[in-house]
Amino acid sequence: AQTVTQSQPEMSVQEAETVTLSCTYDTSENNYYLFWYKQPPSRQMILVIRQEAYKQQNATENRFSVNFQKAAKSFSLKISDSQLGDTAMYFCAFMKLNYGQNFVFGPGTRLSVLP
Amino acid sequence: KAGVTQTPRYLIKTRGQQVTLSCSPISGHRSVSWYQQTPGQGLQFLFEYFSETQRNKGNFPGRFSGRQFSNSRSEMNVSTLELGDSALYLCASSGHESTEAFFGQGTRLTVV
Repeated sequence: AQTVTQSQPEMSVQEAETVTLSCTYDTSENNYYLFWYKQPPSRQMILVIRQEAYKQQNATENRFSVNFQKAAKSFSLKISDSQLGDTAMYFCAFMKLNYGQNFVFGPGTRLSVLP
Repeated sequence: KAGVTQTPRYLIKTRGQQVTLSCSPISGHRSVSWYQQTPGQGLQFLFEYFSETQRNKGNFPGRFSGRQFSNSRSEMNVSTLELGDSALYLCASSGHESTEAFFGQGTRLTVV
């Protein structure tokens, strides 16, 4: 079975600063996807960024980038130039390849961006 | 394109009753998955339906069941409600062989 761990229950960052959220996972699978989702107070989960395990290059999406270390089973999210709208719960998630839509989520990190 | 729609948004039920939640996926999406979110257990996978067939199932008791219709709309049912079933229930839809899941805003179920 897969497990996802997020060791930081809460974090805060000043507006315009950079913050890194940590995620580690455990799996015996070789082919899988990793995701970061954000859940603002509206409760709707929104995809932030996605990484295919077979790709060595780290994914980036505008101000969001990941540091994917497959051997260490680590998948951290870096948010640059933090904005007030980034305030949300952030969930790291794992999904096996070719196994349907079946996320394993971490416990989440509550990020507060301070003005 | 309309997003994933879950109804109702809020629900209050009494212990022992049953409840049915509905999820309408994005048009063209054939996969619908359901998750339970609670403060204690976090986000847990319930089941996934694809083309009217259950493709994956999480570790929940048989009181939790679901189905999917030919138009891809899905329902989940919880029978004999317990206080611990109080949660936010999220559904997500995705297209064929797509890894990106689009979530609805959830149904907040309170069992009293």
